[in-house]
Amino acid sequence: DVKVTQSSRYLVKRTGEKVFLECVQDMDHENMFWYRQDPGLGLRLIYFSYDVKMKEKGDIPEGYSVSREKKERFSLILESASTNQTSMYLCASSHGTDNSPLHFGNGTRLTVT
Amino acid sequence: GQQVMQIPQYQHVQEGEDFTTYCNSSTTLSNIQWYKQRPGGHPVFLIQLVKSGEVKKQKRLTFQFGEAKKNSSLHITATQTTDVGTYFCAGLENNFGNEKLTFGTGTRLTIIP
Repeated sequence: DVKVTQSSRYLVKRTGEKVFLECVQDMDHENMFWYRQDPGLGLRLIYFSYDVKMKEKGDIPEGYSVSREKKERFSLILESASTNQTSMYLCASSHGTDNSPLHFGNGTRLTVT
Repeated sequence: GQQVMQIPQYQHVQEGEDFTTYCNSSTTLSNIQWYKQRPGGHPVFLIQLVKSGEVKKQKRLTFQFGEAKKNSSLHITATQTTDVGTYFCAGLENNFGNEKLTFGTGTRLTIIP
């Protein structure tokens, strides 16, 4: 079974702090994604990556950056956290083949105060 | 950009009743995926539909892809308490890869025992 592990289940940070959300997958997947989930808005894509050191902006990249130094690890960075970034963050991975399904981690619920 | 609307947002049904959620895209889709998220859990892939007019079944769940490939539905027959959760459709606008996968807003299903 694919396992996608997010380092924290819950995080509480202060406005202005730099926040790192870590995600690791163990199935040698090429593709990795970061989504945020908010009530009534579904899942919105923040950033994605098709390969090591490669990154592409999703639909809502403002205020975020990412890092993919190793194939199995994809990090989401909030350079200066703000209260409107309070949300559930979901990491996902998939094979590089077309249309392969996404495998999600358990999510990190981030609260910015 | 592509928009995927999903209705209803919430559905409460008596156990044993049927349930349907509908997904509509503003653009023609190359394929559509369905995911289920249990309360407190993460989205889990259910199925993918690719062909125009395609119908697939998984036990009590029936998935349909519209003839114009712009809409889809998920129908659950005789709901059970294990069906509780939020159901998301996710449409792929073109066949270039998962970066164009757009999630619907989800339908949260609750069951009255």
